[in-house]
Amino acid sequence: DTEVTQTPKHLVMGMTNKKSLKCEQHMGHRAMYWYKQKAKKPPELMFVYSYEKLSINESVPSRFSPECPNSSLLNLHLHALQPEDSALYLCASSQDYGAQPQHFGDGTRLSIL
Amino acid sequence: GESVGLHLPTLSVQEGDNSIINCAYSNSASDYFIWYKQESGKGPQFIIDIRSNMDKRQGQRVTVLLNKTVKHLSLQIAATQPGDSAVYFCAERGFNNAGNMLTFGGGTRLMVKP
Repeated sequence: DTEVTQTPKHLVMGMTNKKSLKCEQHMGHRAMYWYKQKAKKPPELMFVYSYEKLSINESVPSRFSPECPNSSLLNLHLHALQPEDSALYLCASSQDYGAQPQHFGDGTRLSIL
Repeated sequence: GESVGLHLPTLSVQEGDNSIINCAYSNSASDYFIWYKQESGKGPQFIIDIRSNMDKRQGQRVTVLLNKTVKHLSLQIAATQPGDSAVYFCAERGFNNAGNMLTFGGGTRLMVKP
């Protein structure tokens, strides 16, 4: 079982909806990550939080809005998404920023209608 | 293992045989390398890692080899089992626009025949 928990496992939403993805870890890790993974492709880094502050935003469109309410939780708020945003969204954590290995959750499978 | 278009390179092995999955990396300044296993419907799972000051590291049934001269990484799985069927990603850590983050390779699908 993964130590990084993501909810929901599946999400279907329309292009005008607002939804949120959630990620939780209780390993005491101080860095948390969002990745996007398309079918048959490797994960692509979207955001990095270190000590609850946004450290890296890999030029992600503003329709994706991350939030780190505390050291254990990471959210990804979604609004006005496009069909090409359909993908598996993975959360990961590591002990510190840049530390390895990163531990991944099982992801949220997102489908945009 | 680099992906070409929409098709993942695939390695098909017989149960009980040894598997070797290869990966070419791009950054000669990378200081750390890692292999992940991703089963269908799951997130990447850490298998084994190696630092650039080593050329070999062994785990349980897995061995990672690093050849810095040709920038090549390989994962060897001994006595491959059906449960080893998955997509395997290598990743390197080296300074880039995203700082010292991981850069993933394209992935290789391992299929184990019973």
